[in-house]
Amino acid sequence: ELKVEQNPLFLSMQEGKNYTIYCNYSTTSDRLYWYRQDPGKSLESLFVLLSNGAVKQEGRLMASLDTKARLSTLHITAAVHDLSATYFCAVVQETSGSRLTFGEGTQLTVNP
Amino acid sequence: GAGVSQSPSNKVTEKGKDVELRCDPISGHTALYWYRQSLGQGLEFLIYFQGNSAPDKSGLPSDRFSAERTGGSVSTLTIQRTQQEDSAVYLCASSTRAPAGKNYGYTFGSGTRLTVV
Repeated sequence: ELKVEQNPLFLSMQEGKNYTIYCNYSTTSDRLYWYRQDPGKSLESLFVLLSNGAVKQEGRLMASLDTKARLSTLHITAAVHDLSATYFCAVVQETSGSRLTFGEGTQLTVNP
Repeated sequence: GAGVSQSPSNKVTEKGKDVELRCDPISGHTALYWYRQSLGQGLEFLIYFQGNSAPDKSGLPSDRFSAERTGGSVSTLTIQRTQQEDSAVYLCASSTRAPAGKNYGYTFGSGTRLTVV
């Protein structure tokens, strides 16, 4: 059974600082997604990572994938308050019918 | 439509009543998923429809839960004899298969917040 674990689950940081969120998964996967969720809102797609060594960047967020280590990271550079949200990673196995298996989420608070 | 539409956005029901939640996926998307998100929790898979194939119901928590997808488009999730532990946000997502036969883009609806009192 595919398991996805994120850490930390809660992250409080100051504006201007850097930090990394980690996503580990237990079995071989076909692709990995990162989503953002604001309170009371739905999920917004941030990145999809398809292959080993994939790196994608958007603004202050950068995501990477190491399929051999079964690890993805979401790096935050010079955090700003607007990045406060919950971030989820999700993994797809085609053998599981293309459904997304989600991590528990990381609740990020960026303090002014 | 432009996005995945879910209705109602909020539903308060009495324990023991049946409820129906609706999802209208993006036009042309062949795959449709239902997830449940309890307060402060991640997303729990419920059921998956792909085209005309038999749905994957492996995530449904009990036989009180069922779902249909009519004409390969709109889906209805039904919860019978609701219990307080059914209170959650129910999210629907749809996606389309790329030529390689894999689903890449998953678009989520805004969800239905169900409260069982």
